Amino acid sequence: AQSVTQPDIHITVSEGASLELRCNYSYGATPYLFWYVQSPGQGLQLLLKYFSGDTLVQGIKGFEAEFKRSQSSFNLRKPSVHWSDAAEYFCAVALDSNYQLIWGAGTKLIIKP
Amino acid sequence: SAVISQKPSRDICQRGTSLTIQCQVDSQVTMMFWYRQQPGQSLTLIATANQGSEATYESGFVIDKFPISRPNLTFSTLTVSNMSPEDSSIYLCSVVKEGTEAFFGQGTRLTVV
Repeated sequence: AQSVTQPDIHITVSEGASLELRCNYSYGATPYLFWYVQSPGQGLQLLLKYFSGDTLVQGIKGFEAEFKRSQSSFNLRKPSVHWSDAAEYFCAVALDSNYQLIWGAGTKLIIKP
Repeated sequence: SAVISQKPSRDICQRGTSLTIQCQVDSQVTMMFWYRQQPGQSLTLIATANQGSEATYESGFVIDKFPISRPNLTFSTLTVSNMSPEDSSIYLCSVVKEGTEAFFGQGTRLTVV
């Protein structure tokens, strides 16, 4: 069965430090790949997505993600985090353009002042 | 984009009762989905709401427990029937418009006592 793995339940980084959140998927072909952010009391917001083409994708709020087919990974990065980035981050995949999403367990990002 | 109005935003219900959640979109969309996010967990797809026909349920979810309607291209309801404390979750409506991306409502936070 298809699955999405986010191995880190929590990550704590200092404000201004770089960030990488890991995501691995299990699927025979390349699915559609997404990163969403969920802030306390807020809805889910799409940070970025990958369908095909350039494997390094840029998103909103200074985030980027790199698709690595050989590793079945789609890791999210940000060079310098801000306190407002504290939130829960979800990696998700869709097997087709119907966008029925399969979700990772989420990674809670904590920012140290 | 798509603006989604989901109501109610939260509710506290007695066990054994039912709650109907509404999802209204500001424009016609191709796909509508309902997800559940149990406390501290990721999202799980409940069903695809099909316009004018019965919803398509994922494994572990049945129509008797989660009846869904979608009378047109902009509106859907999810009913949580005969509730128990295990149904306490956030329920989210998601829509897809012309194969662009999935948009999410703010969610309904349900507590069953």
